[in-house]
Amino acid sequence: DVKVTQSSRYLVKRTGEKVFLECVQDMDHENMFWYRQDPGLGLRLIYFSYDVKMKEKGDIPEGYSVSREKKERFSLILESASTNQTSMYLCASSLPGGTYEQYFGPGTRLTVT
Amino acid sequence: GEDVEQSLFLSVREGDSSVINCTYTDSSSTYLYWYKQEPGAGLQLLTYIFSNMDMKQDQRLTVLLNKKDKHLSLRIADTQTGDSAIYFCAENGQNFVFGPGTRLSVLP
Repeated sequence: DVKVTQSSRYLVKRTGEKVFLECVQDMDHENMFWYRQDPGLGLRLIYFSYDVKMKEKGDIPEGYSVSREKKERFSLILESASTNQTSMYLCASSLPGGTYEQYFGPGTRLTVT
Repeated sequence: GEDVEQSLFLSVREGDSSVINCTYTDSSSTYLYWYKQEPGAGLQLLTYIFSNMDMKQDQRLTVLLNKKDKHLSLRIADTQTGDSAIYFCAENGQNFVFGPGTRLSVLP
């Protein structure tokens, strides 16, 4: 079974803090994704990576950066957290190319106060 | 660009059938997917259909695809309270695109 894990289920941070969200997958998938999920807006793609050290902007990259130093790990970084980044963050992975189904982690609910 | 649309809410009574509808715009999609998200959890792949099929059945789930109209539906027979969740339609045309999700509420 594909397993995607995220470092925290719940996180509370203060405005201006630097926040790291970690995601690890154990299926040797090339592609990894970060989404945020907000009520009524569905999933919005923040960044994705198709290989180690490679990254591509998604639909809403502003205020975020990512790091992929190892194939199995994809980190999302909020350089200076703001209250409008309070959300559910979902990590996913898939085989290479854009056509394979994505496997999701359990999500991190981040609250910025 | 590609777009996937779904109605946001659906309520059914326990034991009835649920039908969740989805429309998409990218005719190059090879597969279309249904994901389920239970409260507080990530998305779980529920089922998928290859684009040259028009129906797929898997126990209580029936997926219907009308490729001409770019319309996909998910029917859940004998809906149970455990089926209460958000259901996402997704397609894999030029990119992997999710719909906004349909929140299914099952009333006792």
